[in-house]
Amino acid sequence: EDQVTQSPEALRLQEGESSSLNCSYTVSGLRGLFWYRQDPGKGPEFLFTLYSAGEEKEKERLKATLTKKESFLHITAPKPEDSATYLCAVPPTSGTYKYIFGTGTRLKVLA
Amino acid sequence: GAVVSQHPSRVICKSGTSVKIECRSLDFQATTMFWYRQFPKQSLMLMATSNEGSKATYEQGVEKDKFLINHASLTLSTLTVTSAHPEDSSFYICSASPPGLYEQYFGPGTRLTVT
Repeated sequence: EDQVTQSPEALRLQEGESSSLNCSYTVSGLRGLFWYRQDPGKGPEFLFTLYSAGEEKEKERLKATLTKKESFLHITAPKPEDSATYLCAVPPTSGTYKYIFGTGTRLKVLA
Repeated sequence: GAVVSQHPSRVICKSGTSVKIECRSLDFQATTMFWYRQFPKQSLMLMATSNEGSKATYEQGVEKDKFLINHASLTLSTLTVTSAHPEDSSFYICSASPPGLYEQYFGPGTRLTVT
């Protein structure tokens, strides 16, 4: 069964304290893994697409990596403005364009 | 990057009335758009896939007669909540994919409150 699991559900970090968020997936024939950031009361903001194991992408303090079973979103020296919910998603095995979403990680960075 | 807009951002309506939410892709044509609903502190729940020029595909448990979707052009999809009730109050978000891509770009969302 296609599934996406994110951990932890919530994470509190001190400003400057680096950490990683995890997204585990079980789909056949991965057609991309997508990371989004969502602020309260707003729609998700696209961050990264990863297509193949070993691929890495960076944006400011964020770096996303991909293996055959999971993806990590590494946050280096986070700032309070990085506080948000981070979502990952994959298209299902069935080949449709819709997503299977993880439940998200709520990140709070304390000043 | 690709931009998707939604209108209105907030709407309050009375029980029994209908409300329409618009979703536009501003800088690309979207043959496929998606409509989601999100409850507080929960992830996005896909309601339906909107296909330009054809009927929408609704997810299991979503009433198609209550949530009418129209995708009349390559840049516009609308969601009409008919005979709204307080339990329809929620945050509705649309997304769109550029042709041939799996990446979805999301609108800013519409907060619907039914009184």
